[in-house]
Amino acid sequence: NAGVTQTPKFQVLKTGQSMTLQCAQDMNHNSMYWYRQDPGMGLRLIYYSASEGTTDKGEVPNGYNVSRLNKREFSLRLESAAPSQTSVYFCASSAASGAKNIQYFGAGTRLSVL
Amino acid sequence: DAKTTQPPSMDCAEGRAANLPCNHSTISGNEYVYWYRQIHSQGPQYIIHGLKNNETNEMASLIITEDRKSSTLILPHATLRDTAVYYCIVSHKLSFGAGTTVTVRA
Repeated sequence: NAGVTQTPKFQVLKTGQSMTLQCAQDMNHNSMYWYRQDPGMGLRLIYYSASEGTTDKGEVPNGYNVSRLNKREFSLRLESAAPSQTSVYFCASSAASGAKNIQYFGAGTRLSVL
Repeated sequence: DAKTTQPPSMDCAEGRAANLPCNHSTISGNEYVYWYRQIHSQGPQYIIHGLKNNETNEMASLIITEDRKSSTLILPHATLRDTAVYYCIVSHKLSFGAGTTVTVRA
């Protein structure tokens, strides 16, 4: 039971470099989410996709772009990484985006920007 | 979209019940209350959810007040493995707050 798979698990970037965080789910879920978690803090929503072909901004979208490649995959791109983007990134998916749905999370990607 | 308020931390003795409060006074009529927990640096794990009625599953019980402005997550017999950060949310379009850090002590 893979669930939500994130790659890579760890990444170190230099300031200004770009990279894409990958997320895939095998539960046939419609909705997918990207969060970041800074040390000692809760999860902050970056972007979400209610269904294939749609994306919406969350609380902290600046500096990020997303692509809902298909129903399974939702990627997060950092075009020009900054030290402030050092964080743990979590991807999640849920069956629906309405009032009743449960999110399932991946194991996270730990990103350091030097 | 409603936001939630939780105490930052609480301790609990192993084997005793842990009662975790959450305030969501601006919750709207069709918003569910969800509880998740995060152990160490793992991804959050779903615990339970509810709309109006109290709910119970193998992990916990959820008590929602009649006016739906607050709720309590109950871990009936806390174990050391229940040490985690517990999050209460009412909308998946919002970020998770800082949650409540629960420490279960032997």
